[in-house]
Amino acid sequence: DSGVTQTPKHLITATGQRVTLRCSPRSGDLSVYWYQQSLDQGLQFLIQYYNGEERAKGNILERFSAQQFPDLHSELNLSSLELGDSALYFCASSVAGGPPTDTQYFGPGTRLTVL
Amino acid sequence: SQQGEEDPQALSIQEGENATMNCSYKTSINNLQWYRQNSGRGLVHLILIRSNEREKHSGRLRVTLDTSKKSSSLLITASRAADTASYFCATLDTGRRALTFGSGTRLQVQP
Repeated sequence: DSGVTQTPKHLITATGQRVTLRCSPRSGDLSVYWYQQSLDQGLQFLIQYYNGEERAKGNILERFSAQQFPDLHSELNLSSLELGDSALYFCASSVAGGPPTDTQYFGPGTRLTVL
Repeated sequence: SQQGEEDPQALSIQEGENATMNCSYKTSINNLQWYRQNSGRGLVHLILIRSNEREKHSGRLRVTLDTSKKSSSLLITASRAADTASYFCATLDTGRRALTFGSGTRLQVQP
């Protein structure tokens, strides 16, 4: 158990809908990362937050957005869902979010299925 | 986009044998990390090696890094059926904050 929690575990929804994925980082970690894992694209970095502020952006679509709240939990919002958005979405957390020895710890993931 | 290419894509061995997985990358890195993923589940961090290190050990794991060849290898000694999983290398590229993952090696350890 990494200490990172994600809810829900599974989500099944229809095209065009909007969903929210939630992540709670390990106690003491200030940085949260979101990754998407799909069969065709592999594991890809979406976005990072550090202590409430956006720090880095990866291959995140404009239909997707995220935020980190004062209690450091984070939410990833996916809207206007398409079939191709079906994937495993992982959250990871780290203490500081940058130094070369900063290890990222991953949550169990949310499996999103768009029908 | 994925930076790392892992080789082999799939590996099947008998319990007790050693398993070696290789990872190549393209850019300058701060560190390289190896993760394990059991089918459809979360990633478990195995080991981190910094760009100025050449070899690191953790239990039955041995990782090497050759920055001149932009490659790394993960050796699992005396493998067990419980080692069956996908293994990913991930690089923290210089100037970036997030990990770039390889395509992974699927390891099957037969009891």
